[in-house]
Amino acid sequence: EPEVTQTPSHQVTQMGQEVILRCVPISNHLYFYWYRQILGQKVEFLVSFYNNEISEKSEIFDDQFSVERPDGSNFTLKIRSTKLEDSAMYFCASSVSGYARETQYFGPGTRLLVL
Amino acid sequence: QKEVEQNSGPLSVPEGAIASLNCTYSDRVSQSFFWYRQYSGKSPELIMSIYSNGDKEDGRFTAQLNKASQYVSLLIRDSQPSDSATYLCAVLRGGNEKLTFGTGTRLTIIP
Repeated sequence: EPEVTQTPSHQVTQMGQEVILRCVPISNHLYFYWYRQILGQKVEFLVSFYNNEISEKSEIFDDQFSVERPDGSNFTLKIRSTKLEDSAMYFCASSVSGYARETQYFGPGTRLLVL
Repeated sequence: QKEVEQNSGPLSVPEGAIASLNCTYSDRVSQSFFWYRQYSGKSPELIMSIYSNGDKEDGRFTAQLNKASQYVSLLIRDSQPSDSATYLCAVLRGGNEKLTFGTGTRLTIIP
């Protein structure tokens, strides 16, 4: 069964450093998403992406964040200058379409620790 | 008012019994409702989706939706120890792509 994959599984970085989290969505999916989950808290939406453009973003997704689909398979989340509060589990998800009934399938996540 | 509310638990249920998980949501234009299961340190895994009022059954799982009451629930019959996890209720608003999650209910099945 096709799956969303994410690399790395764990990332430790120093505050102020840039990190890039990578995702390979399911191959026939057209909509891509990033969510994050701070330890002990709920899953929060960051951004959705379709047709090489951001289609929606949350207030969390400020100028420090960016997303890109650099080729036909990868989808990346970049955090330019990490803060302590960026420490969280970051999940990539994808769906076939953006219709309201469409299921979003989640990858295994990248655990980011900012020191 | 929280957009999606769940009792955080923990909810303890004996093995073989029925586990009942509840969720309320505040946005009346919400169209799609999902139950995800999340094991500790893992990603959300879809259990059930429901879009219309009433019940939807899939194996041991039944999702129930009442849009008038803005309420969605998940029943797990014949609970197994492997069902022990956090269950996340998520809501998708029409014309909006973001899933809004509740904080989750931690379920423990006692052998």
